[in-house]
Amino acid sequence: SQTIHQWPATLVQPVGSPLSLECTVEGTSNPNLYWYRQAAGRGLQLLFYSVGIGQISSEVPQNLSASRPQDRQFILSSKKLLLSDSGFYLCAWTRIDNSPLHFGNGTRLTVT
Amino acid sequence: TQLLEQSPQFLSIQEGENLTVYCNSSSVFSSLQWYRQEPGEGPVLLVTVVTGGEVKKLKRLTFQFGDARKDSSLHITAAQPGDTGLYPCTGTASKLTFGTGTRLQVTL
Repeated sequence: SQTIHQWPATLVQPVGSPLSLECTVEGTSNPNLYWYRQAAGRGLQLLFYSVGIGQISSEVPQNLSASRPQDRQFILSSKKLLLSDSGFYLCAWTRIDNSPLHFGNGTRLTVT
Repeated sequence: TQLLEQSPQFLSIQEGENLTVYCNSSSVFSSLQWYRQEPGEGPVLLVTVVTGGEVKKLKRLTFQFGDARKDSSLHITAAQPGDTGLYPCTGTASKLTFGTGTRLQVTL
């Protein structure tokens, strides 16, 4: 069966510090991978998606970047965090034929 | 990216009441998914509807896909506190974007 791992679960970082969140998927190959952010009490906002290694599409201009160095690894990064980067970050995957999304457990990021 | 509108945005009801929430778009979808998200967790898929006019039941939850495949509804019968959460929808044609979701609070 397929599983998705996302870490860390919580993170507190000062403004201006770098960020690296990692997501890996097991049990499938060539998944579509997604990063979403959810502000407190709000809906899911798509940040990045990837259909293959090295292929990244950005949905919203922002202080963040994403990379996919391996088929089942998706990384969300920032060089300098802003207060507005605080939120709940979720990684998700689908099969290449766009079946429903499967989410990780999320990372709650607080920028202080 | 097609826009998905969900209504109501917030709903607070008492245990035992019935409710219906909606997911609407001007675009046609080949399929539409409903999820439930509890605080601090990722969304979990509830159902996928594919055929226009389709009705699917999941215990006390009834999902309907509009005939034109542009909208969907979720009806909950005899709501329970365990139904509390966020209910976002997403359509395959615009599956990269979720609706803002309906936030449901069921109290005793």
